[in-house]
Amino acid sequence: GAGVSQTPSNKVTEKGKYVELRCDPISGHTALYWYRQSLGQGPEFLIYFQGTGAADDSGLPNDRFFAVRPEGSVSTLKIQRTERGDSAVYLCASSLRTRNEQFFGPGTRLTVL
Amino acid sequence: GIQVEQSPPDLILQEGANSTLRCNFSDSVNNLQWFHQNPWGQLINLFYIPSGTKQNGRLSATTVATERYSLLYISSSQTTDSGVYFCAVGHGGATNKLIFGTGTLLAVQP
Repeated sequence: GAGVSQTPSNKVTEKGKYVELRCDPISGHTALYWYRQSLGQGPEFLIYFQGTGAADDSGLPNDRFFAVRPEGSVSTLKIQRTERGDSAVYLCASSLRTRNEQFFGPGTRLTVL
Repeated sequence: GIQVEQSPPDLILQEGANSTLRCNFSDSVNNLQWFHQNPWGQLINLFYIPSGTKQNGRLSATTVATERYSLLYISSSQTTDSGVYFCAVGHGGATNKLIFGTGTLLAVQP
């Protein structure tokens, strides 16, 4: 079956702009995670959804970052007033249940000029 | 928080050689996964292995949870094995968020 998909694959924006990144998890997966990967480092956790609710948003760096999953499937990560330091690859992962194996999408490469 | 360390940080092999990658973690874990990140950035699942031993073709992995380490074995390496190998652990609570190690950069030369 289809894996996790993310759109867009690349996003270039200017400092101060608003961006939305989309994640389509594997069908039937109830747990969804967002991670961020900076150059030369491993991915770092941002936020976790179980169903529609954000059960853990402890990894969001500040209040410019927000994510939703209104119907328990597709999720959108929203970044307001982007800064150059937000440039990174944003990865989405899903798992069948919370403690199951996580599968990652191809990522969205965000560049803030 | 939990620390996840991988060794070696870099490894260069000739095609056909074998290697062992190590992952040490500082606390008990609920989950442990090994990934291969290919040159295009895609994280490919290798093993879901909170404990025990698994094998898949030329790759195998062993996790000794009581001693807080995991090993990834690559046999008869191929150039397509090149890339970064990450160990990631799920730690504590109901979230199972993954904490990634520092990675091992593997280059397999023909």
